[in-house]
Amino acid sequence: GNSVTQMEGPVTLSEEAFLTINCTYTATGYPSLFWYVQYPGEGLQLLLKATKADDKGSNKGFEATYRKETTSFHLEKGSVQVSDSAVYFCALSDRQGGSEKLVFGKGMKLTVNP
Amino acid sequence: DTEVTQTPKHLVMGMTNKKSLKCEQHMGHRAMYWYKQKAKKPPELMFVYSYEKLSINESVPSRFSPECPNSSLLNLHLHALQPEDSALYLCASSHTSGGAGDTQYFGPGTRLTVL
Repeated sequence: GNSVTQMEGPVTLSEEAFLTINCTYTATGYPSLFWYVQYPGEGLQLLLKATKADDKGSNKGFEATYRKETTSFHLEKGSVQVSDSAVYFCALSDRQGGSEKLVFGKGMKLTVNP
Repeated sequence: DTEVTQTPKHLVMGMTNKKSLKCEQHMGHRAMYWYKQKAKKPPELMFVYSYEKLSINESVPSRFSPECPNSSLLNLHLHALQPEDSALYLCASSHTSGGAGDTQYFGPGTRLTVL
């Protein structure tokens, strides 16, 4: 079945450092790809998404590009802030019957220190 | 408004209790989801409702019983739970459940503890 593999961490960075979180996927067909973020004590929020090859999703300074040739969707941010401390999940959409479901990676906890 | 609300925020129940979790959205979405999330793990899909009909049941034990009374409301009825069912229960909704790239919007979750 379809699956997602991502860096698990935890990772600790200093403020203004560069962030990369690797995500690769295994899928039949061409799934949509997502990055969700979960702040402490909260539900998940969509950070960005891409629905086809070479699409770039971006939001709040974060970017990720759908790379079909390397089956990857790595998340990057040029300068992290303390407020970016959270758990980041890479996910893909998997069609089952007539419905789409999300398949998540294991998540990576990021802590950003001032 | 992209808000999904869940009540209660916290719930403590004994193994013989019956309780319900409630989820509501007013975005006109026609797909709603229940997920279970254990500590330091990703969410695991439990159920999907599409146009108020159950479309996916991920082999969830019958002590969890979902209900979708209308397109805005999703309930999860709990009965005879086990301590290992303690987790964060997340509700989500999306425009439809079959659209490629449909974004799922998550609620804040209900933190359930089974004693």
